[in-house]
Order: sequence, then C-alpha cells, then structure tokens
Amino acid sequence: GENVEQHPSTLSVQEGDSAVIKCTYSDSASNYFPWYKQELGKGPQLIIDIRSNVGEKKDQRIAVTLNKTAKHFSLHITETQPEDSAVYFCAARGGGADGLTFGKGTHLIIQP
Amino acid sequence: NAGVTQTPKFRVLKTGQSMTLLCAQDMNHEYMYWYRQDPGMGLRLIHYSVGEGTTAKGEVPDGYNVSRLKKQNFLLGLESAAPSQTSVYFCASSYIVGGPYNEQFFGPGTRLTVL
Repeated sequence: GENVEQHPSTLSVQEGDSAVIKCTYSDSASNYFPWYKQELGKGPQLIIDIRSNVGEKKDQRIAVTLNKTAKHFSLHITETQPEDSAVYFCAARGGGADGLTFGKGTHLIIQP
Repeated sequence: NAGVTQTPKFRVLKTGQSMTLLCAQDMNHEYMYWYRQDPGMGLRLIHYSVGEGTTAKGEVPDGYNVSRLKKQNFLLGLESAAPSQTSVYFCASSYIVGGPYNEQFFGPGTRLTVL
C-alpha cells in the first residue's frame, strides 16, 4: 500500500518568514495530494490540493508543488502569520475509492 | 448545513465494553470514512463506504465493525473495547472519487478512552 513520509515533524519560523513542509510518497499510482490544517481540538480542514497532472498550484499565501518523477510534494506558506500556527498533514490517494494515506504531521509554530 | 457531525464528543469505556460512534453528513456525499488519530501517527483509515449498504476495510480494521444503512449515516462499532483503541476518531465524507470534487470533509472528532 501507499506510504507517505512527512518532514519536519516540528517547524518554528518567525512571523513574516516562509515555511516549507515536504512529503514523499511510495505508490506511483497515487494521483491526488491534499494538504490539511488541524487546529487544536478540531478536525482536519483542507487548505489546498493538487492532482498528478499539475506541477504547481497557488492560493494566496499558500502553494503546493508536485514532482511526480521524484514522488515528492511540498507545501509553501509565505508571509506567515500567527493564525498559521497549527498541525499540517499531507496525504496521498491512488485511483481507487479508498481513503487517504496521511503523513504523520508537522507542528508549525509561528514566533512573534 | 451542519456538514459532518459526530456523536458522542467524548467517551470513557472499560475494557470489554462495547459502544457505537455515529457519524452523520448532510451534504449528500456518496463516500464516508472512519479514521483514528494517535499521537505521532497521523490519521489512519479504519473502514470506509462507497455507498449505502456497502463497506470496506482500511489500513487498521481489526477490532472494529461498521454499517451504512442510510446514505447520510456511518456507524463505527467497538464490540469489546481494548486500551489500544484509546484514540481520537474522525469521520469524513466526500463526493464520488475521481470527479471534480475530491475533498474529504472531516467531523470534529470523538475522543475515546478505554481503561
């Protein structure tokens, strides 16, 4: 089955700086790669996603890049703000109807 | 729309007791999922359903059973709870996979402790 590795487990950045979280996946059949943000005591919430036929996608301060050859994808957050502090999860899904395979999460801390 | 709701929010069980977690969605989604979240482990898929009356096993199905008798509800059962099932359980739902809408919408979670 699919295996998703996520790094780093904790990331601390100064407010206003950029943050990058990286993930690798194992199943070359995977074709959908979402990123979720989870705040304390809440369920994960989708912030951006990308399909395998696209190399990059951007939504305001958030961008995701995908390298299918290397089987890795990354989340980029620019101009970080205090409200960006949360746990971020990457995930991957193959062509079937089964669920997502998640990375173990990155705790992003925005230092004032 | 309430989205995805889960009942109960918290529960404490003794080893060997049984319980059912209820997930409900009002978005007319076809697919529903149960995940568990443990510290440092991310979310892992327990069971899922691609439609009313159908269920399938995920990555960690042992010790759990599920039922999807109505399209809007997905039940997760623990027949004989064990301390290893102490976790936060999340339900999610989505439209048909492969279409233009892939997003899985998550509920707020149920925190279960088994003593």
